Amino acid sequence: GQNIDQPTEMTATEGAIVQINCTYQTSGFNGLFWYQQHAGEAPTFLSYNVLDGLEEKGRFSSFLSRSKGYSYLLLKELQMKDSASYLCAVHRGGSYIPTFGRGTSLIVHP
Amino acid sequence: GAVVSQHPSWVICKSGTSVKIECRSLDFQATTMFWYRQFPKQSLMLMATSNEGSKATYEQGVEKDKFLINHASLTLSTLTVTSAHPEDSSFYICSARAPPGAGGPIITDTQYFGPGTRLTVL
Repeated sequence: GQNIDQPTEMTATEGAIVQINCTYQTSGFNGLFWYQQHAGEAPTFLSYNVLDGLEEKGRFSSFLSRSKGYSYLLLKELQMKDSASYLCAVHRGGSYIPTFGRGTSLIVHP
Repeated sequence: GAVVSQHPSWVICKSGTSVKIECRSLDFQATTMFWYRQFPKQSLMLMATSNEGSKATYEQGVEKDKFLINHASLTLSTLTVTSAHPEDSSFYICSARAPPGAGGPIITDTQYFGPGTRLTVL
């Protein structure tokens, strides 16, 4: 089966950098996704990693190490609007059915 | 990103009635769509995988006769909550999986979510 671990909650200061880690165990790997979810809203897609390395997209970057079953989402120049839950997700082995982590609630304060 | 719409965005109904929620993929044809449920401050829970032209695949513990899913076209999946009860009150979210060759900024195999439907059963 799938097992995804990420911290429950993190806090950071506006303008700072924060790294949200995600570790996973899955039989077969078809890619890892990061989503952002604001309270009361549906998730929005942030990034997709299928190969090892860093994918940079503006203020957000995502890193993957398949051998370590590890990913992180890096948020730079934090803004108050970045306060949200960040969900790590992997596809079930050999399929495109997603499994989501419990999400990391990020609180950005002034 | 791709646009997936859901309708209605919120609904209040009486116990015992049925509620239908529509999910439309507006930017690509989706052979696979997913239905989730999310209770306050909890994680997304996958209810079922909706496959165009075939029966939905339900997750363990999800009653297929209570949550009817129909994926009649490549752009529309519907979830009907039958005989709704207060414990069915939740945030229901659909997503559509982007197929290969969807084009533009759409990334293959990525799920794009609808805005969700908040169901309250009195």
